[in-house]
Amino acid sequence: DIQMTQSPSSLSASVGDRVTIACRASRDIRTHLNWYQQKSGKAPELLVYAASSLQGGVPSRFSGSGSGTDFFLTISDLQPEDFAIYYCQQSDITPRTFGPGTRVDIK
Amino acid sequence: QAQLVQSGPEMKKPGASVKVSCKASGYTFSSYSMSWVRQAPGQGLEWVGWISGYNGDTNYAYKYSGRVTMTTDTSTSTTTVYLYLRSLTSDDTAIYYCARVTSWVYDLGNYEDLWGQGTLVTVSS
Repeated sequence: DIQMTQSPSSLSASVGDRVTIACRASRDIRTHLNWYQQKSGKAPELLVYAASSLQGGVPSRFSGSGSGTDFFLTISDLQPEDFAIYYCQQSDITPRTFGPGTRVDIK
Repeated sequence: QAQLVQSGPEMKKPGASVKVSCKASGYTFSSYSMSWVRQAPGQGLEWVGWISGYNGDTNYAYKYSGRVTMTTDTSTSTTTVYLYLRSLTSDDTAIYYCARVTSWVYDLGNYEDLWGQGTLVTVSS
């Protein structure tokens, strides 16, 4: 199985900040990497697919980058509704695997 | 619009089985697969497996092989996908999500772009 790791596991930030979350795969997954946002008590929602393609309806302050084994999700100008847990997921092979998540809290 | 509506919470005893449903509507079912993803209390996301909406082929995560079955029912005007999990233990206590999966494209991979609201399955004696 491909192991996914994320850093940091949590971070505190203020409204207006720029934050970056890192995700690493245990082997080359090309650009087969997706990012999801999960708010408390809700189902996950797709933010970014194929490492850098923004899902329709997702604000442009979200962006994804990377390829191979190292990927990043950046949120510029953090908004109150962005405080949530963010998960990366590889779609290169089954079983599909998720990172452990990064919690973004209000400072 | 496209939506996935799941069945209600379940309470089961250890050793029992559970069947969770996911009613899909508003899109062409055969153009997508359906994943099941679970989340234990306070934990992350774990992929259980998926079923093709095109031909019913399944792919289960190895740790669930032999205990899980995914099926589809297209006999009514809406299509329902089922997750059947047997020999339950307390470790199976989790929210189970169904999620629509796009077709795989070489440069893009695929992704879960639409999620159900989740079904809490509690296993306790």
